[in-house]
Amino acid sequence: DTGVSQDPRHKITKRGQNVTFRCDPISEHNRLYWYRQTLGQGPEFLTYFQNEAQLEKSRLLSDRFSAERPKGSFSTLEIQRTEQGDSAMYLCASSSLWENEQFFGPGTRLTVL
Amino acid sequence: AQSVTQPDIHITVSEGASLELRCNYSYGATPYLFWYVQSPGQGLQLLLKYFSGDTLVQGIKGFEAEFKRSQSSFNLRKPSVHWSDAAEYFCAVVPSSGGYQKVTFGTGTKLQVIP
Repeated sequence: DTGVSQDPRHKITKRGQNVTFRCDPISEHNRLYWYRQTLGQGPEFLTYFQNEAQLEKSRLLSDRFSAERPKGSFSTLEIQRTEQGDSAMYLCASSSLWENEQFFGPGTRLTVL
Repeated sequence: AQSVTQPDIHITVSEGASLELRCNYSYGATPYLFWYVQSPGQGLQLLLKYFSGDTLVQGIKGFEAEFKRSQSSFNLRKPSVHWSDAAEYFCAVVPSSGGYQKVTFGTGTKLQVIP
């Protein structure tokens, strides 16, 4: 078990482009979370999956953002028509149904020029 | 709504000195409490957690934290800081009332260690 992995680790894009990030959780974990962390702030919750079902989305997740977890394993987070304000670290975490601890990946740092 | 306050944005300590990072939470019931550490450009590593029981919890890297219900606090301590402890520290809470666990983080305390 190598923990939660995220790809890419860094992404630089131009404003208006679409980007997609991938998260691979710990294999037996049913729950998967996405967070966004801007400079000088703590991570903020974006969305949550239990298996393949997306059960909650934060108001931070505008209609330009979409997340999927098609087979209840890996997840993708897509941002359409990126804006400079989307520049942040995007963190993925996973947990099992019976644990209260979330395990975090290394994050994807997005820079929108 | 639940919230987490870390009143110290930045703390500087000398190597070998003791450390205390403050955390206060606001929540209807006692939540589950966590401290995470984040090195520059890295993800979050769990230092310790409190669910119930003994209010003094031990974590990794020589850290401990004490839960004080009367003060709604969960302060992180270390008796002797090492240069490698320089990082950002986040206090976090999770509802203890079942369901999924959306983590609410504080804004973090950046620790600088000087020789």
